[in-house]
Amino acid sequence: EAGVAQSPRYKIIEKRQSVAFWCNPISGHATLYWYQQILGQGPKLLIQFQNNGVVDDSQLPKDRFSAERLKGVDSTLKIQPAKLEDSAVYLCASSLEVSTGELFFGEGSRLTVL
Amino acid sequence: GENVEQHPSTLSVQEGDSAVIKCTYSDSASNYFPWYKQELGKGPQLIIDIRSNVGEKKDQRIAVTLNKTAKHFSLHITETQPEDSAVYFCAASHSGGYQKVTFGIGTKLQVIP
Repeated sequence: EAGVAQSPRYKIIEKRQSVAFWCNPISGHATLYWYQQILGQGPKLLIQFQNNGVVDDSQLPKDRFSAERLKGVDSTLKIQPAKLEDSAVYLCASSLEVSTGELFFGEGSRLTVL
Repeated sequence: GENVEQHPSTLSVQEGDSAVIKCTYSDSASNYFPWYKQELGKGPQLIIDIRSNVGEKKDQRIAVTLNKTAKHFSLHITETQPEDSAVYFCAASHSGGYQKVTFGIGTKLQVIP
């Protein structure tokens, strides 16, 4: 079974530029999560999708971050314009169960903002 | 919202010794407590979990305990090996229509050969 795929693995941009990350979850997983992991910290939830719909985006900085999940499968996370403090690893995860259960993480996309 | 505190932030043990990581949570509605292991350059991977109707769970050298009254849970690794070196995250989750998972800050475990 293929795991969660993410790209790109690494991205370096200047502040105020834009960047987009892509995620393909495990086939059949209805729930998709984007987490931000700053160096030395635990993952922080940015947005959670249930199929096409957003169920939690309370911690997403909506003035600069946006995310979509078209057709309930792939997802993209965009940052525009980027700030220095956005430097982090962006982790995508998916889960089969709706209520509780294992999250399957991708390897992450490391963003450096200069 | 939920707040998960984890300690210690770093832990060094000799190979063969035991390691214990402790976490506390704030939301009494949390009912699922997973532990994830993250190796360098990889995403976190579930190693063991426990639900609120269980006090303890074991899987070979790994065990978790849960005290719902005190709102704390712990990870115990016995007979540590160098490949156990990684960052370990505790998390708390509750199901209120959808799962909301909150992670601790992580513990960097170093097993010294």
